[in-house]
Amino acid sequence: AQSVTQPDIHITVSEGASLELRCNYSYGATPYLFWYVQSPGQGLQLLLKYFSGDTLVQGIKGFEAEFKRSQSSFNLRKPSVHWSDAAEYFCAFNDYKLSFGAGTTVTVRA
Amino acid sequence: DAGVIQSPRHEVTEMGQEVTLRCKPISGHDYLFWYRQTMMRGLELLIYFNNNVPIDDSGMPEDRFSAKMPNASFSTLKIQPSEPRDSAVYFCASSSGSRSEQYFGPGTRLTVT
Repeated sequence: AQSVTQPDIHITVSEGASLELRCNYSYGATPYLFWYVQSPGQGLQLLLKYFSGDTLVQGIKGFEAEFKRSQSSFNLRKPSVHWSDAAEYFCAFNDYKLSFGAGTTVTVRA
Repeated sequence: DAGVIQSPRHEVTEMGQEVTLRCKPISGHDYLFWYRQTMMRGLELLIYFNNNVPIDDSGMPEDRFSAKMPNASFSTLKIQPSEPRDSAVYFCASSSGSRSEQYFGPGTRLTVT
């Protein structure tokens, strides 16, 4: 079955350090992949998307993600984390219905 | 554009009461989605519409839940009668294509006592 998996439930990172969030998908064809961020008490905000083409995708807030077909992955990265990046991050897969991973909670320490 | 608008933002009601959640999608979007978010089950798709027509309601948990979209700018999700296990955050989202990115509203936090 098509699915998306986020292996890390919780990640703690120091402010200014780099961040990488993992996402693995299971799908036979080229998937439509997204990363969303949800701050506490807020809705989901789209960070970036991948449909086709260049496998390195730039998003908002300094985030980027790389699609790797050989590894069935779509990991999210940010070179230098700010305290405001503390939130929950969701990888999502769209096969005419958007299916979300379980989410990764990011804590930023000073 | 104001984005997806949901009302109310918070709803507290007693078990057995009817609850109606409202959503206004982004103008020009032809897909509308209703999701529920809980700690135990994460984000679940309840139902989605295309051009005001319900396409897939397989995620609607029970007959107590119903959704309508009378026109392109308005949708409701109704729970009647409500139960404590319906307590969750309900999100509405819209998109301009079946596989396009979805834009989410701020959500309605429902508490059923």
